[in-house]
Amino acid sequence: QVQLQESGPGLVKPSETLSLTCAVSGYSISSGYYWGWIRQPPGKGLEWIGSIYHSGSTYYNPSLKSRVTISVDTSKNQFSLKLSSVTAADTAVYYCARHRVNDRAFDYWGQGTLVTVSS
Amino acid sequence: EIVLTQSPATLSLSPGERATLSCRASQSVSSYLAWYQQKPGQAPRLLIYDASNRATGIPARFSGSGSGTDFTLTISSLEPEDFAVYYCQQRSNWGALTFGGGTKVEIK
Repeated sequence: QVQLQESGPGLVKPSETLSLTCAVSGYSISSGYYWGWIRQPPGKGLEWIGSIYHSGSTYYNPSLKSRVTISVDTSKNQFSLKLSSVTAADTAVYYCARHRVNDRAFDYWGQGTLVTVSS
Repeated sequence: EIVLTQSPATLSLSPGERATLSCRASQSVSSYLAWYQQKPGQAPRLLIYDASNRATGIPARFSGSGSGTDFTLTISSLEPEDFAVYYCQQRSNWGALTFGGGTKVEIK
């Protein structure tokens, strides 16, 4: 059974960098698939942030591209998100998910982690 | 960016009734559309991919249809566990994956 688990600080100060890690179990990242990040502000809808292939190829949401970096560590079977220069608008539940190559649907999700941007 | 508009925003129905949810794209996405269900405090769950294919383990009462710009998710007979928020997502091209705003199916 594929499982994903997000981890990282729950509180980040404005203008700083948000950093999250997603640990994957039950499947080797090196075996394939894309691995993505999606966020959801409280009470609002879903926003795709970006995705990475095991080889390191990345695809980012154009609206966030200038602030986002997604990386992968196949030795630890995990991938990470960095979002720089955060503001209160970046407060959200952040999900990591497995992202299928052919149909690009997200078939396995982490439970999500709330990140609040506040001083 | 392709914008997905879901309607209605809220659907009030009773268990056993049929639910019809709409997702309209601002330009053609071919059949590259998925549907997700999200319950409070939980991550979304994949229901349908490529417009009409049920994901693994999804009951047959869920069906998807459409192509181009107009898509429909139908729940043939609502079970108590189906009351949730539903999102559509398009993948017409890389670098611009987008979700719709969601439809809440609530108990009437």
